[in-house]
Amino acid sequence: QVTLKESGPVLVKPTETLTLTCTVSGFSLSTANLGVSWVRQPPGKALEWLAHIFPNGVESYSTSLRSRLAFSKDTSKSQVFLNMANVDPVDTATYFCARTVGYIQGIYYHDYWGQGILVTVSS
Amino acid sequence: QSVLTQPPSVSAAPGQRVTISCSGSSSNIEIHYVSWYQQFPGTAPKLLTYENNKRPSGIPDRFSASKSGTSATLGITGLQTGDEADYYCGTWDHSLGAGVFGGGTKLTVL
Repeated sequence: QVTLKESGPVLVKPTETLTLTCTVSGFSLSTANLGVSWVRQPPGKALEWLAHIFPNGVESYSTSLRSRLAFSKDTSKSQVFLNMANVDPVDTATYFCARTVGYIQGIYYHDYWGQGILVTVSS
Repeated sequence: QSVLTQPPSVSAAPGQRVTISCSGSSSNIEIHYVSWYQQFPGTAPKLLTYENNKRPSGIPDRFSASKSGTSATLGITGLQTGDEADYYCGTWDHSLGAGVFGGGTKLTVL
């Protein structure tokens, strides 16, 4: 059974760095073509893809947020971490991590999702 | 402004059929597979279709999807009130080097 769960602070202050953790089970972070993506959704708005990381070390980031995002992972603990620097109130959103199938001849989709974590940026 | 364009809302009566369009470009939909997601308020998105027209186990065949050129379509037949949700298309954009989603379509079953 594949599961993902997000964890992290629910309230951060403007200009701080947000660190989110995605803990996965039911699959290995070392499995080829299975990555982890972060997707966020501001209240009442659409899904926004943020970034992904794959076992081959490939990391991709949203062009608009590239300078503020960074990945790391602990494969032994089945955890992926996303850092977002210099947060602003507009970054208030529910943040989801999702298992991503990709890098196979044009295939790219998110088949399992975490429940999401609502992060509020406010002083 | 989302890279993929969807109508903000669609509606139809119970039992009827509805389609939701997703318009993209030569750098995304035309060259990559499209997926569709269903999201109920306050919950995570759920994969409905992938690789243009495949359904994960457990998704009823009332849900179907197709792709042609730079556009994709999700079809839902035999509409039920329980289908009321937001629907998103998604794919990879080669030029951006990023995943992309549509702006979402709210389905109302009248």
